[in-house]
Parts: sequence; structure tokens; C-alpha cells
Amino acid sequence: GQQLNQSPQSMFIQEGEDVSMNCTSSSIFNTWLWYKQDPGEGPVLLIALYKAGELTSNGRLTAQFGITRKDSFLNISASIPSDVGIYFCAPPAYSGAGSYQLTFGKGTKLSVIP
Amino acid sequence: NAGVTQTPKFQVLKTGQSMTLQCAQDMNHEYMSWYRQDPGMGLRLIHYSVGAGITDQGEVPNGYNVSRSTTEDFPLRLLSAAPSQTSVYFCASSYRGDNQPQHFGDGTRLSIL
Repeated sequence: GQQLNQSPQSMFIQEGEDVSMNCTSSSIFNTWLWYKQDPGEGPVLLIALYKAGELTSNGRLTAQFGITRKDSFLNISASIPSDVGIYFCAPPAYSGAGSYQLTFGKGTKLSVIP
Repeated sequence: NAGVTQTPKFQVLKTGQSMTLQCAQDMNHEYMSWYRQDPGMGLRLIHYSVGAGITDQGEVPNGYNVSRSTTEDFPLRLLSAAPSQTSVYFCASSYRGDNQPQHFGDGTRLSIL
């Protein structure tokens, strides 16, 4: 099966700093998704990437779909306390009969120090 | 519009007991799935369904059963609970296709003693 390596595993940053995290895979994907999970809640989709080389922004978040299609990057600019949570990459993989399954990375846990 | 609703939110079971975790969605999504999340791990797929009457196994299906009699509901059954099944369980739904984001419920926190 696909192997996803997400790094770093955790980050402690000062409020206002920029954050970078990435996800690499041994397999090629056609889509990369980034989710955020707030404490005690389910994951929520942040950004979806559909084309190699694509750079997409959502407010202070920017994500890139790697040219090799085996990696993706997520950046958060000017972090604020509500950015705290776990960030997951989750590229869909085809599982037959027109269906796709998400494979989740182990997540990057972000802590923001006010 | 409630989205994905999971019940109960918390549950404590004894080893060997059976239980059904409920999941319902009101978005007319064809695809529904169950994940478990353990400390330090990402979400791992247990079972999924691409439509009513169709289910399939994910990465960690052992010890769990599912059925999909309607589009809206996708219950997860533990027939004989084991301590290794202590986890947080998430249900998700989406339209079919790789460019369709999944919508997650808020989870069921299950402890098995």
C-alpha cells in the first residue's frame, strides 16, 4: 500500500511566525488534500490540489502539489492561536469500481505560543 | 443541514460486549466510510461503502461489520469488543470521485475495559 511520510511530527512556534510542513509518498497521486483537525473534532478540508505544480491559497494557507506528484507542501503565514491543531495530508487513491480511498499521513501537530 | 452525525459521542464497554456506532448524513452522498484514530496515528480506514447495498473492507477491518441499507445511514458494529478497539471512530461521507472532499462527523470516543 501507499506509504505517506508527513513531517514534522510536531511544531511549537511563536504567534506570528510562518509554518511549513510537507508530505511525501512512494506513490504518485492525482489529487492532494490537506485537512485540519481541531481538538475533539473531526478533520475539516482546508485545501484541495488537483494538478502537478499547482499552488493554491486559502487565506493565510498556501499549498503546493509537487511536480513529481509524490509530494505536497502546506505553509501557514503569520500564525495565530486558532491555527493550533493537527494537520493531515490525505491523497485519494483509486480502489476500484469508481471509488477512491483516503490515505492519511500521521499528521503534524501544531502548537502556537501566544 | 446537519452534515454527518455520529452517535453516541462517548461510550465505555466491557470486553466481549457488542455495540453499534451510528452514522447518518443528509447530503445525499454516495460514499461513506469509517475510520479509527489512535494516538500519534493518522486515520485508518476500517470499512467503506460506495452506495446502498455495497460495502468493502479498508485497511483495518477485523472485528468490525458494516451494512448500508439506505443512502443516509452507515452503522459500524463491534460484535465482541476487545481492548485493542479502544479508539476514536470517525464517519465520513462524500460524493464519489477523487476530487470530492470527505465530510467528517465529530467522532465517537470508545473505551473498552
